[in-house]
Amino acid sequence: DQQVKQNSPSLSVQEGRISILNCDYTNSMFDYFLWYKKYPAEGPTFLISISSIKDKNEDGRFTVFLNKSAKHLSLHIVPSQPGDSAVYFCAASAVFRSQGAQKLVFGQGTRLTINP
Amino acid sequence: KAGVTQTPRYLIKTRGQQVTLSCSPISGHRSVSWYQQTPGQGLQFLFEYFSETQRNKGNFPGRFSGRQFSNSRSEMNVSTLELGDSALYLCASSRGRGETQYFGPGTRLLVL
Repeated sequence: DQQVKQNSPSLSVQEGRISILNCDYTNSMFDYFLWYKKYPAEGPTFLISISSIKDKNEDGRFTVFLNKSAKHLSLHIVPSQPGDSAVYFCAASAVFRSQGAQKLVFGQGTRLTINP
Repeated sequence: KAGVTQTPRYLIKTRGQQVTLSCSPISGHRSVSWYQQTPGQGLQFLFEYFSETQRNKGNFPGRFSGRQFSNSRSEMNVSTLELGDSALYLCASSRGRGETQYFGPGTRLLVL
């Protein structure tokens, strides 16, 4: 049972344009969402997060949007740069509703390629 | 501030052996979580420790166990290794509930 889904295994974007990565979830208990970036042979690097009380969070070139009614979140990267090429994972947890549990449930990842 | 460190970075074992992986969290972080990454299953939660207590456990067999020490360092043990245990094992630390988890570089385990 895939509770967090990233339906696009790969995405190719021109440098300077906007990259939009999507993520859907099924568990309505999730109240905290994160995006991580991962290079081969390295651990995931935290990018940005959003709690369920918000619908948008922005940090520099990265913006995460949360649509609770659709159980959908997206990561926008603008403008896209070659160094953004990596695998992006969305993750969700039910932190505030489950007595401190820190379990992250990850999507399968989307490989983003930024073309010069 | 030093990040999460994991040792060893690479490990080769044979079926039936056991292995212990180590994780040192970011200074001040009391929560340590372990994840397994494989090509087929993606990133899956193993367990989480906070103040030396296991708070949450994923859907893995009892061959996978862990512990946390008073200095928040954590170890993960896998006994009776199987070929399917070959994976990247990632450790993440956070200050606590609701705080962002930061990952280490991982330990790549190959079981032959």
